[in-house]
Amino acid sequence: EVQLLESGGGLVQPGESLRLSCVASGFTFATYAMSWVRQSPGKGLEWVSSITAAYESKHFARSVRGRFTISRDNSANTVHLQMSDLREEDTATYHCVKGRDGESERISGGWDEWGLGTTVTVLS
Amino acid sequence: QSALTQPAAVSGSPGQSITISCTGTRDDIGEYDYVSWYQQHPGKVPKLIIYDVHNRPSGVSSRFSGSKSGNTASLTISGLQAEDEADYYCTSYVLAGILFGGGTRLTVL
Repeated sequence: EVQLLESGGGLVQPGESLRLSCVASGFTFATYAMSWVRQSPGKGLEWVSSITAAYESKHFARSVRGRFTISRDNSANTVHLQMSDLREEDTATYHCVKGRDGESERISGGWDEWGLGTTVTVLS
Repeated sequence: QSALTQPAAVSGSPGQSITISCTGTRDDIGEYDYVSWYQQHPGKVPKLIIYDVHNRPSGVSSRFSGSKSGNTASLTISGLQAEDEADYYCTSYVLAGILFGGGTRLTVL
C-alpha cells in the first residue's frame, strides 16, 4: 500500500520560512517524480513544484519561483519543500503527490497517489 | 500562465451523461496531449480518473472518458450515479509546469 506522510506545516508570519517533508512508502520511490500540490481553504487546487526521478530536474509554479525549493533524498524515501519569504497567499494545505509513470522524467503524466496534506497558515 | 477555464457547476440526473469542459490555450492544452482529470469528494483527496487526455487508470470506471479538440479538453461521465457528485479538476502540462482548472462542482439531481 502506497503511503505519503507529510509534515512540517504550521502557523508563521509573513516573511518567515518553513520546511515541509513527505515520507513515502509502498513503492520504489527513486523511480518516480514527486510533486507538491496545494489547496487553499474552500478553494481549488494549485500545482506548486515537481522534482523528477533520475535527473532530479526541478520545476516551480510562477507564484513560488525564487522563494520555494524542492529536493529529494532517495535513501530516506523523502521529498522536501523548503518555503521562504512566505506570504498570506501561501496559506493552504500542501499535498505530497506521486507521479503516475515511473522510469520517466515526465511531470505531466498525472498523480495517482496523494498524501492527506500538511497545513500552512501565514498570518501577520 | 493562467488557470484553465472550467464551468463552475454542472448538473445531471441519474443515468444521464454530462460533459465538463476545460479550456486552455495553444501553449498548454493545444500544444500537449498531457491533460489529466481528478475527482474530489468533500473532505477527501483528489483521485486521478483520466491521464494523457483519454486514458483511465486501472480501477476507474469506463463511464469516465476524456477527449480533446484544439485548446479544449472534455470529461464525459455517462450513466450518472449519485456517487459521481463531486468536484472535478482538469490539469494540463505547460512548458515546465502544470496548470489546474478552477474546478467544476457536479450535482446529481
